Amino acid sequence: KNQVEQSPQSLIILEGKNCTLQCNYTVSPFSNLRWYKQDTGRGPVSLTIMTFSENTKSNGRYTATLDADTKQSSLHITASQLSDSASYICVVSDNMNTGFQKLVFGTGTRLLVSP
Amino acid sequence: ETGVTQTPRHLVMGMTNKKSLKCEQHLGHNAMYWYKQSAKKPLELMFVYNFKEQTENNSVPSRFSPECPNSSHLFLHLHTLQPEDSALYLCASSPGVGGGNTIYFGEGSWLTVV
Repeated sequence: KNQVEQSPQSLIILEGKNCTLQCNYTVSPFSNLRWYKQDTGRGPVSLTIMTFSENTKSNGRYTATLDADTKQSSLHITASQLSDSASYICVVSDNMNTGFQKLVFGTGTRLLVSP
Repeated sequence: ETGVTQTPRHLVMGMTNKKSLKCEQHLGHNAMYWYKQSAKKPLELMFVYNFKEQTENNSVPSRFSPECPNSSHLFLHLHTLQPEDSALYLCASSPGVGGGNTIYFGEGSWLTVV
């Protein structure tokens, strides 16, 4: 069964500190992996998207890594800010650019950045 | 502003009411989606429209009825809902439905069924 597991479920860090969120998936065949940020009461916003051949991608203070062999991804947040408080959702696509892309969503990691 | 606008943002309805959620995208995309997000559960795909034709219905109960009059507008008609249907309903769009297309979400409509 295609699944995406995220850890931890929730995390509290102090402002200015770094943190790393984990994503493990069993989706096959693999097409791409995305990280979304969802503020409370808002819709998810795309942070990064990585294909099979990419093992790292950055978006400002956010850096995503992908190990397609072990089917693991991480999202590293550097020098956290209060505005980073949100849920971070890992999403894996099982389609290879043809037909309809089927997305498998994780349940998210809820991050709270404390002053 | 994501380019995908949903109204209303909040809706409270009784189980015998009929209401509709509206979504409009200003991105020139060809595909539109409805997702359901319940507490502590992954996003669930409900419907997909590509060039205003429904391409996916993810075994959604008939009390949810989608309508896509054109590629920019998507509706979700609601009738005789159950309390367990209370959730955040997210509309989304993408350039196409194939792999690699980034999906852009709206802000969501919070639905409470009483």
